[in-house]
Amino acid sequence: GAGVSQSPSNKVTEKGKDVELRCDPISGHTALYWYRQSLGQGLEFLIYFQGNSAPDKSGLPSDRFSAERTGGSVSTLTIQRTQQEDSAVYLCASSLAAGNTDTQYFGPGTRLTVL
Amino acid sequence: EDKVVQSPLSLVVHEGDTVTLNCSYEVTNFRSLLWYKQEKKAPTFLFMLTSSGIEKKSGRLSSILDKKELFSILNITATQTGDSAIYLCAVGQNAGGTSYGKLTFGQGTILTVHP
Repeated sequence: GAGVSQSPSNKVTEKGKDVELRCDPISGHTALYWYRQSLGQGLEFLIYFQGNSAPDKSGLPSDRFSAERTGGSVSTLTIQRTQQEDSAVYLCASSLAAGNTDTQYFGPGTRLTVL
Repeated sequence: EDKVVQSPLSLVVHEGDTVTLNCSYEVTNFRSLLWYKQEKKAPTFLFMLTSSGIEKKSGRLSSILDKKELFSILNITATQTGDSAIYLCAVGQNAGGTSYGKLTFGQGTILTVHP
C-alpha cells in the first residue's frame, strides 16, 4: 500500500483482557517501530525491528507487552492482561532502514481504551 | 537520561501571524533532529536536520538546527487555519558507532490558528 496501515483503528476492552494490534509497514521498508502516545503527551518509544536482527525491546513498559514481526513485514503488538493505564494511541512507523534514514512514516494509530 | 523539550506547550495565534516553535535537546550521540506535524492521528514528516546553520524550507515552513546550543526552531509564516496541529520534535541517535533507530520525542507544541 501507499502508507503504513494499522488495525483496528479503535479498540475498547475490559481490564484484564488481552489485545492484539496490527501494523502493515510501507512495502520495502525494513525497519518498523512501535510508539505509544498518551493523552497530551509526546510519543514514547516501545520497540523496533530492523531486518532479521533481534528487536530492540528497551522501551516496552512491562512484560505484559510483546511484539513480533513475521516475514519481515507485518507486525503485531500484544498487550496481555490490559490495565487502565495502557489506554493510549499506539502508533506504528516504518523507515527504509534504521539509521540509514531517520525519516519514519507513521500509520494512523490504534486508539486503545481499557475500561 | 535523553531529553527533548519543546516550547511553548501551546500557542494561539490569528491567521497571518508568524510563529516560532522551539525544541531543545540533551541526548548522547546526536545524529539528527526531525519535525513532524500531527493533525488527527498520524504524525506527518516535515523536516530532518543534521547540520548546523543550514535552513530547510518548505513553502511557509522553515527550520534550522544549532548543534552547539542544542536546539532547533520551526518557523511558520503567514499562518493559516490549516496549520492548526500538534508539532512534534524528535531526535535520532547513534549508538556504539552503528545506527540506532529509536527517536526520542518532545511533548509537542499545540498550535491553534484562529481565522
